[in-house]
Amino acid sequence: DIVMTQTPLFLSVTPGQPASISCKSTQSPLHSDGKTYLYWYLQKPGQSPQLLIYEVSSRISGVPDRFSGSGSGTDFTLKISRVEAEDVGLYYCMQGIHPMYTFGQGTKLEIK
Amino acid sequence: QVQLQESGPGLVKPSETLSLTCAVSGYSISTGSYWGWIRRPPGKGLEWIGSFYRTGSTSYNPSLKSRVSISVDTSKNQFSLKLTSVTAADTAVYYCARYPDHWGQGTLVTVSP
Repeated sequence: DIVMTQTPLFLSVTPGQPASISCKSTQSPLHSDGKTYLYWYLQKPGQSPQLLIYEVSSRISGVPDRFSGSGSGTDFTLKISRVEAEDVGLYYCMQGIHPMYTFGQGTKLEIK
Repeated sequence: QVQLQESGPGLVKPSETLSLTCAVSGYSISTGSYWGWIRRPPGKGLEWIGSFYRTGSTSYNPSLKSRVSISVDTSKNQFSLKLTSVTAADTAVYYCARYPDHWGQGTLVTVSP
């Protein structure tokens, strides 16, 4: 089974400052079709998780460009260039090599 | 626009079976995509429960495999989750989803006498 490990588990960030979350997998989510099925979600309080980034670095339409994803192999990163108050919540990475999906433990972002 | 809506009892007794249904609108399950269930226990992170592609190729989280089953009703464009022999540890918000981008709003299921 693929295990996803996120660090840190908690972030307290001043508005306007950057933030970064690491996600490491025990196996690469690289599929035989050449795509890497690594996703990033944000779950805001009281809401369902919303997809921010798919296939490592592609932003979903409507997601602000201050969010960016990068990485390859087993090491991936989500960066927020300038944190805003609306960015608070739980961030999860997920690998999606069917037939198995695995989430990271989640990183809680709060605003200082 | 794809929409998913979970439904089912909000309270289940220990040792009984948890049953939830996910109604899908705006997209036919038979067309394609991967679908499934995820849960989030109180104070914990997201846990993948299981998934399927169209009406076949179902897979389950190994930690739940002996207790979980997902079935599909294409005539109603919905799919269901059954989790047997539940305990308090199965208390969670349960989400259905079309991976990776469309999720239901979630439904809280509490396991309690």
